[in-house]
Amino acid sequence: GQSLEQPSEVTAVEGAIVQINCTYQTSGFYGLSWYQQHDGGAPTFLSYNGLDGLEETGRFSSFLSRSDSYGYLLLQELQMKDSASYFCAVNSANRDDKIIFGKGTRLHILP
Amino acid sequence: DAGVIQSPRHEVTEMGQEVTLRCKPISGHNSLFWYRQTMMRGLELLIYFNNNVPIDDSGMPEDRFSAKMPNASFSTLKIQPSEPRDSAVYFCASSLASGRIEQFFGPGTRLTVL
Repeated sequence: GQSLEQPSEVTAVEGAIVQINCTYQTSGFYGLSWYQQHDGGAPTFLSYNGLDGLEETGRFSSFLSRSDSYGYLLLQELQMKDSASYFCAVNSANRDDKIIFGKGTRLHILP
Repeated sequence: DAGVIQSPRHEVTEMGQEVTLRCKPISGHNSLFWYRQTMMRGLELLIYFNNNVPIDDSGMPEDRFSAKMPNASFSTLKIQPSEPRDSAVYFCASSLASGRIEQFFGPGTRLTVL
C-alpha cells in the first residue's frame, strides 16, 4: 500500500519558524511536493523535491531524504496569512501524473 | 489567463438525484484530475485523464460515479444516483504535461446530498 504521515496540527507564533514533517511509504518514489490550502480555498503548489537536499523559495524551504523516506516543509518569519493546511504529496512514478496526498497539517499561528 | 474553471460552485441535491460537475482545464494543459475532499478521508484522487484518455480510475468509489473528457477543454464528473455520503468538495486540477508535478486546482464544487 501507499501511505503518507504528517502531523494533523501544528501551532506556532507569528514571526517564528515552524517545520512540518512528512514520512512516506510508497511502492515507488519519484518526488515529494507540498501544497498549501486556505480554508474554503483550493490547494496551491508550493514546492517540489526530486533529489535529496533543501529547496528554498522565499520564506519557504522543503527538504527531502530519500534514504529515510522523509521530508519536511520549513516556514520562516511566520505571518498570520500562513495559517492554512499544508499537504505533502508523493509522485510515485516517473512520467506518471498521479500523486498521492497526505491528510494535511493544519497550521495555527498565534499573534 | 484564466485558471481551472469549475461549475457549479455549490450544489445541493436530494438523495437519488443525478449530479453533474463540470471542469474546464487551463488551456494547453493535457492532464486533468478529479479529486474529492472530506474531513475524514482527506484529498482523494478519483480519476485522471491524459490527452483526454482516462489513465487511472482506480479511485472512483463505485459504479455510481463516472467521468468523461470529450475534448481537451471540458470534463464532467457524474454521480447517479447520489447519496448523502457523496457530500464533499470536488476539485478538478490540470497540469501541463505528463510527468509534471505541479497541478493547478480549480475552486472546487461543494456538494451536499440531503
